[in-house]
Order: sequence, then C-alpha cells, then structure tokens
Amino acid sequence: DGGITQSPKYLFRKEGQNVTLSCEQNLNHDAMYWYRQDPGQGLRLIYYSQIVNDFQKGDIAEGYSVSREKKESFPLTVTSAQKNPTAFYLCASSTSAASGNTIYFGEGSWLTVV
Amino acid sequence: GNSVTQMEGPVTLSEEAFLTINCTYTATGYPSLFWYVQYPGEGLQLLLKATKADDKGSNKGFEATYRKETTSFHLEKGSVQVSDSAVYFCALSDLGNAGNMLTFGGGTRLMVKP
Repeated sequence: DGGITQSPKYLFRKEGQNVTLSCEQNLNHDAMYWYRQDPGQGLRLIYYSQIVNDFQKGDIAEGYSVSREKKESFPLTVTSAQKNPTAFYLCASSTSAASGNTIYFGEGSWLTVV
Repeated sequence: GNSVTQMEGPVTLSEEAFLTINCTYTATGYPSLFWYVQYPGEGLQLLLKATKADDKGSNKGFEATYRKETTSFHLEKGSVQVSDSAVYFCALSDLGNAGNMLTFGGGTRLMVKP
C-alpha cells in the first residue's frame, strides 16, 4: 500500500546526543515536510523540501537538520543544539508545492529526552 | 502573515448530538482550507478540504463550507458517534514564498460520550 512510513515510533535521546528520524514515502511525491507537535498544541513547520537535493527552513529550524538525497526519503536529525526536543514529530508529503494540493501525514514519531 | 483560529476544547457531546467546531482564518492570498483529524497517538488524516470560496467539503458525515466573506470554515456534523472522538485541526494552505505550506490552528479535542 502507498503511504508515508516513519521510524522509529518511539525514541529516547540522552542529553547531548544527535538522533535521526526516518521518513520514507512511496507516493511519488515531490514535496516533503517535517512538523513538530507539542502536547495540546498545533503543528509547527521545521523543514520542507520541494524537490530532491533542495530544502528550506521552516518556522522552527534551529537545532534540526535534514537531507533530501532521494525523492522518497527525508530524514530529520535532531541535534544536541535543540534545547527542548521532546515532542511528537510528523513527516508529510504532497504531490507538489502547489497551493491546494493535499498534504498527507505519516503516523508520527515520539521523541523523549531522558 | 497567515493564521488560523479554532475554538478551544475540549468539546464534550453525547452520541447523536450536533457538532460545530468554529474555525476562522487570516490569509494574504486565496488559501485552500482543510480539516484534519488526529486519533490518539496517531498522525493526522485529511478529513475534508475546500479550495475556493463557497466550496463545501464533505466526508464521513462531516461538512465545512468555505466562507470568504466571514473568513470561516466551520466544521459540522449532524450526529456524532463515539468513534468521532479525536482532535480536529483546521488548516490553510497558501501559495506564498514558501510554496504549499500548511498553517494550523491549535486543534480542538472532541469527546463523545455514549
């Protein structure tokens, strides 16, 4: 079945560690996104990519990094510079970056700092 | 800039009651409007959308009409079920400098009691 797969579902990070969240889609979508959701709140955009080998910062990019070497993959690295990384992370994709195209979401990854 | 405002929850209803979740928006252009639903511990699923003024989006008994004159996109359902319990997010997509970006409201939790 087509869709967006995020892994791992749950991840624990120690202080000072970098961790990488995986996002893979087999929908042949050009555009991919990473959002962060804090408990009881809406979603905020971290990074987005409109095409392979290109990506831009969203509203809260500090402390995060991404790569887009393949169309189907858009991994997110949460670096030690991110001071409050505990959150629910959602990867998404859409056919293109044209307005009105539906954005589809993965199941999310929970990151907790221990 | 763009923004979306939703009524704060939680909204608690009995089964078969009528549901309205208010959503208003501010946008510089001509946005597309969306309602997403999030079940506990899961990612977001698209519920419905409307891409131009006076369009009505509908799905699974839910409806919302794009009202440009009142900048609103209120979600309604005539008879809710326990299985509708979830968090509902209103969002807009406006093709600006950042391409197809979603701006989310804060979410409204719906609890339906048997």
